[in-house]
Amino acid sequence: EVQLVESGGGLGQPGGSLRLSCAASGFIFSTSEMNWVRQTPEKGLEWVAYINSGGNNIYYADSVKGRFTISRDNAKNSLYLQMNSLRAEDTAIYYCASGTNYFDYWGQGTLVTVSS
Amino acid sequence: SYALTQPPSVSVSPGQTASLTCSGDKLGDKFVCWYQQRPGQSPVLLIYQDQKRPSGIPERFSGSNSGDTATLTISGTQALDEAVYYCQTWDSATDVVFGGGTKLTVL
Repeated sequence: EVQLVESGGGLGQPGGSLRLSCAASGFIFSTSEMNWVRQTPEKGLEWVAYINSGGNNIYYADSVKGRFTISRDNAKNSLYLQMNSLRAEDTAIYYCASGTNYFDYWGQGTLVTVSS
Repeated sequence: SYALTQPPSVSVSPGQTASLTCSGDKLGDKFVCWYQQRPGQSPVLLIYQDQKRPSGIPERFSGSNSGDTATLTISGTQALDEAVYYCQTWDSATDVVFGGGTKLTVL
């Protein structure tokens, strides 16, 4: 059974940092392309970042470019999102999701709240 | 930037067919997928590449895409189909784009 389990969410200060993790199991993580997608009641679903299986091809949404960094450790079957210079508008549920142009498996999400 | 438009809500009677639309400029030239999100749960992929179903998705879910509109059709709608449905597309110019979602109510 495919499982994606996010962690690391919580309260972050404006201008501060948080690091999200996603532990993968039940599929061959090292050959899978991965993403972070976030969701808010106001803006709905928003793709955040993509990383290919080898970690050498990465894309970001304009809204997070220069502030967020996606990475992976295939030896640990883990995906990460380093979030710097946090803004109130980054408040959302963050999901890790597998796939390229569509997302076939999603984690349960981790809530990030940016507030002073 | 590219935008996908979905009606906020659709109602259907149990056993009837629900048609959920997703509109975008020349959307038929792109691939579309659909997700179902039940309250408190993560999205689940229902349809990809316009009309393909992942394993485990019932045949009563089907998709089409032509012109400016993609459609998710749910045949024999059941109470458990009550959820929010999102369309999504992508291309090299627009990256990944989601629609705003349609809340399906089964009355």
